[in-house]
Amino acid sequence: GDSVTQMEGPVTLSEEAFLTINCTYTATGYPSLFWYVQYPGEGLQLLLKATKADDKGSNKGFEATYRKETTSFHLEKGSVQVSDSAVYFCALSVDDKIIFGKGTRLHILP
Amino acid sequence: DAGVIQSPRHEVTEMGQEVTLRCKPISGHNSLFWYRQTMMRGLELLIYFNNNVPIDDSGMPEDRFSAKMPNASFSTLKIQPSEPRDSAVYFCASSFSGNKETQYFGPGTRLLVL
Repeated sequence: GDSVTQMEGPVTLSEEAFLTINCTYTATGYPSLFWYVQYPGEGLQLLLKATKADDKGSNKGFEATYRKETTSFHLEKGSVQVSDSAVYFCALSVDDKIIFGKGTRLHILP
Repeated sequence: DAGVIQSPRHEVTEMGQEVTLRCKPISGHNSLFWYRQTMMRGLELLIYFNNNVPIDDSGMPEDRFSAKMPNASFSTLKIQPSEPRDSAVYFCASSFSGNKETQYFGPGTRLLVL
């Protein structure tokens, strides 16, 4: 079935470091792809999305490119901040549902 | 604009008791989703509604769990009887069919069953 696999955390980086969180997916059709973020004590919120191959989603300095040939949607940020500490979920859409990965916890040290 | 509202934010109960979680979706949204989040299993979709009608409840763990959506602005998730393994954070999310791929999550209800 359709699924999302993302790198296990936690990921710990120093402030201003470059971030990559890997995500790959399995899908029978052509899903839209998402990154959601969950800050401590809060619900998930949409960070960015891409709806078709080669699209790049971007928001708050984060970006991810929909790569159909490698079935990937890796999240990147050039210079992370302490405020980026959160759990990041890669996800894809199937019919009316969204299938989430298990999440990757990110710690940014000052 | 108010986001998705969930109540209570925290619930502590004893095994065997009935628990009712409540959700008010964003006004105008016509899809509503209930999720459960645990460390072991991550985020699981329990059930979702479209226009107040349950569409897919395959994620509901067992008969102890039930969900209703009597109108477009209110939904409940009930656990009866509750068990310690039901301890988790329960999220409600809503979306609009014109943009069904973007879900808006509530703050969650943290449930502890002793």
